[in-house]
Amino acid sequence: EAGVTQFPSHSVIEKGQTVTLRCDPISGHDNLYWYRRVMGKEIKFLLHFVKESKQDESGMPNNRFLAERTGGTYSTLKVQPAELEDSGVYFCASSQVGWNTGELFFGEGSRLTVL
Amino acid sequence: SQQGEEDPQALSIQEGENATMNCSYKTSINNLQWYRQNSGRGLVHLILIRSNEREKHSGRLRVTLDTSKKSSSLLITASRAADTASYFCATDAGDTGRRALTFGSGTRLQVQP
Repeated sequence: EAGVTQFPSHSVIEKGQTVTLRCDPISGHDNLYWYRRVMGKEIKFLLHFVKESKQDESGMPNNRFLAERTGGTYSTLKVQPAELEDSGVYFCASSQVGWNTGELFFGEGSRLTVL
Repeated sequence: SQQGEEDPQALSIQEGENATMNCSYKTSINNLQWYRQNSGRGLVHLILIRSNEREKHSGRLRVTLDTSKKSSSLLITASRAADTASYFCATDAGDTGRRALTFGSGTRLQVQP
């Protein structure tokens, strides 16, 4: 069974440009999460989908970030326009229903570098 | 400090020694989890301990939880070079309603062969 996959693995863009990150969760996992780790600091929660609905987007830094999960399958996270402080590793994770009784399955992350 | 804050930030030991990492948190929890991240890879779940448990074992891993002190420790016994990685604790939101785990900054473990 395929794990959580993320694309691209690394993206280098200039300030002001747009980047879209994609996450394909494990098939059948209703819960999908986006996290970000900046400069070796804590892994910060961005938002949580249950199927196609945004359950919690309280971690989204500002309105330059837009996440979607059309059809409740894969998710995209768009940063537009990108700023220098957006650089970091963006992790996607998924889990089955019963989030608080089990583990999250993580992708390998998308490293974003904004120059 | 952050919810789920690990200590120390970095730890270097020799192969065969034990490694102990600590985690402190602020709010009430239902459970606490530990994850490992190898360099450049995703996080991998290691173990989950519930709030009504005090100790849990899994292979060479031993996790303790002290809810009165809001702290947990992860002990890796007889460490191996392959245990070199970053280790994160993650807490749920207890009774706050948030359905997402909160992670700390991690402990970077280096096991020298």
